[in-house]
Amino acid sequence: DAGITQSPRYKITETGRQVTLMCHQTWSHSYMFWYRQDLGHGLRLIYYSAAADITDKGEVPDGYVVSRSKTENFPLTLESATRSQTSVYFCASSEGGSQPQHFGDGTRLSIL
Amino acid sequence: EDQVTQSPEALRLQEGESSSLNCSYTVSGLRGLFWYRQDPGKGPEFLFTLYSAGEEKEKERLKATLTKKESFLHITAPKPEDSATYLCAVQAGGTYKYIFGTGTRLKVLA
Repeated sequence: DAGITQSPRYKITETGRQVTLMCHQTWSHSYMFWYRQDLGHGLRLIYYSAAADITDKGEVPDGYVVSRSKTENFPLTLESATRSQTSVYFCASSEGGSQPQHFGDGTRLSIL
Repeated sequence: EDQVTQSPEALRLQEGESSSLNCSYTVSGLRGLFWYRQDPGKGPEFLFTLYSAGEEKEKERLKATLTKKESFLHITAPKPEDSATYLCAVQAGGTYKYIFGTGTRLKVLA
């Protein structure tokens, strides 16, 4: 089925380790987004991309790195994980900048 | 500063008891307001987009309305399967970014 998939669904790691969260969409949407969802804060934008090889910072980008070499993939890397990065991470995509964003089912990341 | 506030934080309804959820916003030139439904362990599911004051959208038991300062999500004769967290997001003019509220947790009792 077409859609947006995130992997892994669950991940436990230790502080200081590098971890990469994957996001793949089959709609050929131009725009892709990474959010984190924490109690009391709602969804906050980490990074977004308007097209392959074009990325920009969101509200909370520190400690994260993204790349987009192919339209369908938008991986998010935590270069040196910290406990404050324990969260649920959602990837989203949209056909155009003002079109609705469609979300994956998230990755629950725990950093010990 | 662009901001979105949703109320109430939580709402319990009896099956068939209609109610409304509120989303108040301040934004520099509204580009769009979006409503989502989120079930536990799932990502947000798109419901509606509203672009200008006075606009209304309907889907089954849900109806979304928009004014210059707030949006309402009206739920008519809700059923237990309507239980979820409802999220509101706004997009300011000239940007692709959404600003989300913290959501309203709705529980509909049979």
